[in-house]
Amino acid sequence: NAGVTQTPKFRVLKTGQSMTLLCAQDMNHEYMYWYRQDPGMGLRLIHYSVGEGTTAKGEVPDGYNVSRLKKQNFLLGLESAAPSQTSVYFCASSYGRTREQYFGPGTRLTVT
Amino acid sequence: AQKITQTQPGMFVQEKEAVTLDCTYDTSDQSYGLFWYKQPSSGEMIFLIYQGSYDEQNATEGRYSLNFQKARKSANLVISASQLGDSAMYFCAMRSLSNDYKLSFGAGTTVTVRA
Repeated sequence: NAGVTQTPKFRVLKTGQSMTLLCAQDMNHEYMYWYRQDPGMGLRLIHYSVGEGTTAKGEVPDGYNVSRLKKQNFLLGLESAAPSQTSVYFCASSYGRTREQYFGPGTRLTVT
Repeated sequence: AQKITQTQPGMFVQEKEAVTLDCTYDTSDQSYGLFWYKQPSSGEMIFLIYQGSYDEQNATEGRYSLNFQKARKSANLVISASQLGDSAMYFCAMRSLSNDYKLSFGAGTTVTVRA
């Protein structure tokens, strides 16, 4: 039981490049989330999904897109990376919307 | 809008002593949940404890307890008998249980346990 996994763990992009971050969970959770963590600001929600085929915007969605084609996977895309997107990205999942969220190990992204 | 405030950026505690981490929140919702997470230097986020707004008793999980004072809108985390492995960043978070899926986080408090 791996819990929540994220791929890749580290990535360096040039401004304007695109990439996709993959999140996978094996706990059969309905709800999945993408957060970013910046120094001194805690975590902020980018996008979330309440089930397969659904997505919704969070607190800071601009510049990101997501897809949830399979229940166990939640993808975060950056179409044209900007230095302001340098951050640590966390994926999380939960069984229900009121329950605790389980987090992946994070992806450290640097945009130069 | 929900707002979480953690006023202590960093704290030092002696091993085996207790430490209290402050958390205050602001919400107009009646039904909400409060969470504490631990983030060690390795970076992962570890769930510690949960308190529902309608729970009459303070939550406890092993050495962690949550001092919930609803009228004051505070949800302080108490770690008893601190261990060196407790050195980490601690985040308070809140979620509305009525109409929002967002987990709102505070800025965090760094705890350093001294031997």
